[in-house]
Amino acid sequence: EVQLVESGGGLVKPGGSLRLSCAASGFTFSSYGMNWVRQAPGKGLEWVSSITGSSSYRYYADSVKGRFTISRDNAKNSLYLQMNSLRAEDTAVYYCARGCSSISCYSPWGQGILVIVSS
Amino acid sequence: QSVLTQPPSASGTPGQRVTISCSGSSSNIGSNTVNWYQQLPGTAPKLLIYSNNQRPSGVPDRFSGSKSGTSASLAISGLQSDDEADYYCAAWDDSLNGVVFGGGTKLTVL
Repeated sequence: EVQLVESGGGLVKPGGSLRLSCAASGFTFSSYGMNWVRQAPGKGLEWVSSITGSSSYRYYADSVKGRFTISRDNAKNSLYLQMNSLRAEDTAVYYCARGCSSISCYSPWGQGILVIVSS
Repeated sequence: QSVLTQPPSASGTPGQRVTISCSGSSSNIGSNTVNWYQQLPGTAPKLLIYSNNQRPSGVPDRFSGSKSGTSASLAISGLQSDDEADYYCAAWDDSLNGVVFGGGTKLTVL
């Protein structure tokens, strides 16, 4: 069974840093692009970042470019999101999702992890 | 303001057919495939339709997708109470060089 489990969320002060992790199991991790999508409380979905299977290409939303870094460790079947210079507007549930037929195709999704940026 | 425009709400009675629209532009829907997601209350999103009109295994054929020009639609036939959820469209945008989502449509089964 394909499983994605996020960890590393929590409360952080504005300007602080946090590193999210996503542990993958049940599939050949290195064969798939991986993605982060977030959802602010009571709001819609917002794409954050994507990375190809070999880490050759990384893509970022303008809202996080220069502050967030996506990476992966195929030996550990893990995806990461390093978040620096956090702002209140980064407060959201962050989902890890496996890529499928196109860069905007995600399946399945993890259960999500809450990040709160507040003083 | 989302790049892809969806109606904020839709509704129908059990058994009815409802359609949710997703309007974009030549840089997103007009030149890239559209995917649809269903998010049941309190849960993570789930892929419902990929590549404009393909259903992943396990998704009932009551759900169908279509695309024409710069717009896409999700149709749900034989509406059931379990279909109450938020629905989102998504596509790559060549101008923004990123993925864009619609603002979401909250479907209510009356």
